[in-house]
Amino acid sequence: AQKITQTQPGMFVQEKEAVTLDCTYDTSDQSYGLFWYKQPSSGEMIFLIYQGSYDEQNATEGRYSLNFQKARKSANLVISASQLGDSAMYFCAMREVNTGNQFYFGTGTSLTVIP
Amino acid sequence: DAGITQSPRHKVTETGTPVTLRCHQTENHRYMYWYRQDPGHGLRLIHYSYGVKDTDKGEVSDGYSVSRSKTEDFLLTLESATSSQTSVYFCAISEPKGAYEQFFGPGTRLTVL
Repeated sequence: AQKITQTQPGMFVQEKEAVTLDCTYDTSDQSYGLFWYKQPSSGEMIFLIYQGSYDEQNATEGRYSLNFQKARKSANLVISASQLGDSAMYFCAMREVNTGNQFYFGTGTSLTVIP
Repeated sequence: DAGITQSPRHKVTETGTPVTLRCHQTENHRYMYWYRQDPGHGLRLIHYSYGVKDTDKGEVSDGYSVSRSKTEDFLLTLESATSSQTSVYFCAISEPKGAYEQFFGPGTRLTVL
């Protein structure tokens, strides 16, 4: 079974609008971490935001917020006020403690911001 | 930016030849990882290290070996490269505190002909 599922291969959003990128995860661990990374066309991987499994509040970092719904095992990324520079691939990832702190990545969502 | 370099950045090789990719960090992070990135698969873990000489397999370890003799260096070796190992390889580091977030190197594009 996939540990991380991203069901949106591609998304489009109008500049200045908000967009939600979906991520669901599968784990039997009680302790885990959820991450989002951005990969622009230049290829580097950029860490965006983190949510711990015991964190009760949703994580926020500037225009990024993580909508964490533990019972549904979802960790959606919300980007507010989209900018042209937000066009990139976005990867959801999970770190599991019981597998030696391995990280598992989803297949990614390609976001295009339209002017 | 985390101090992570990968060498070489690009390599073209022939089937059956050995290949070694190097990851070097200046951050003194305990954990180091090797991933491959292929279209439609995201990033998949090959091997990782949780300390000097301490390594473990990831989900796609067949055909790869690793070594870590110093904190700062993590080597990935393809003993006999195959065309299915054509990919972009990323090294990452993390420290076991707080979020454990990973910081990535710039990647190595490997083509096996």
